[in-house]
Amino acid sequence: DTAVSQTPKYLVTQMGNDKSIKCEQNLGHDTMYWYKQDSKKFLKIMFSYNNKELIINETVPNRFSPKSPDKAHLNLHINSLELGDSAVYFCASSRGEGGYTFGSGTRLTVV
Amino acid sequence: GDSVTQMEGPVTLSEEAFLTINCTYTATGYPSLFWYVQYPGEGLQLLLKATKADDKGSNKGFEATYRKETTSFHLEKGSVQVSDSAVYFCALTHRGTDKLIFGTGTRLQVFP
Repeated sequence: DTAVSQTPKYLVTQMGNDKSIKCEQNLGHDTMYWYKQDSKKFLKIMFSYNNKELIINETVPNRFSPKSPDKAHLNLHINSLELGDSAVYFCASSRGEGGYTFGSGTRLTVV
Repeated sequence: GDSVTQMEGPVTLSEEAFLTINCTYTATGYPSLFWYVQYPGEGLQLLLKATKADDKGSNKGFEATYRKETTSFHLEKGSVQVSDSAVYFCALTHRGTDKLIFGTGTRLQVFP
């Protein structure tokens, strides 16, 4: 059983399109996150949700909108995609204090 | 703000060599410290952690000691294997924040 699963694994799309990435965790964790990893492997937090409530929003453009229908799911919707959005997006969950479990990532390529 | 600084890579070693990847941090108070590993094409996996000064985290032959006096958390392994080739990330978080702050990652390449 995959603890944190993301779909799709790869996403290629044109500029201006809207796309969503889905994430589900079966660990019973209360907190979920989205991280962005750029081409130089740098990882930066985008959002965190605790039990469906937004906790962290790291000055991400409002084209990015997370949605948490329940504490096991955190989806990321991106409007009007731009070339600079190309990256690997990681979902993660935790019970607290940095002990994260990461998904395997979604590689987004905007052309 | 809080930050983590790692040595730049890639670090290239022969199998069975000794590994050190340096990590220093800047943070107020007493953060928890972590090493994560990312194998090619995969997500990050927690390798080890330490939550207070002088704690030593260890896993799979890797170890790191939380040194508050030098604000460091260097990763070491006595004898690396080809299968250890990956990107290693040092990270910190504060109690109650749940926000992991990562270093830039260090790529390790081990050759037979």
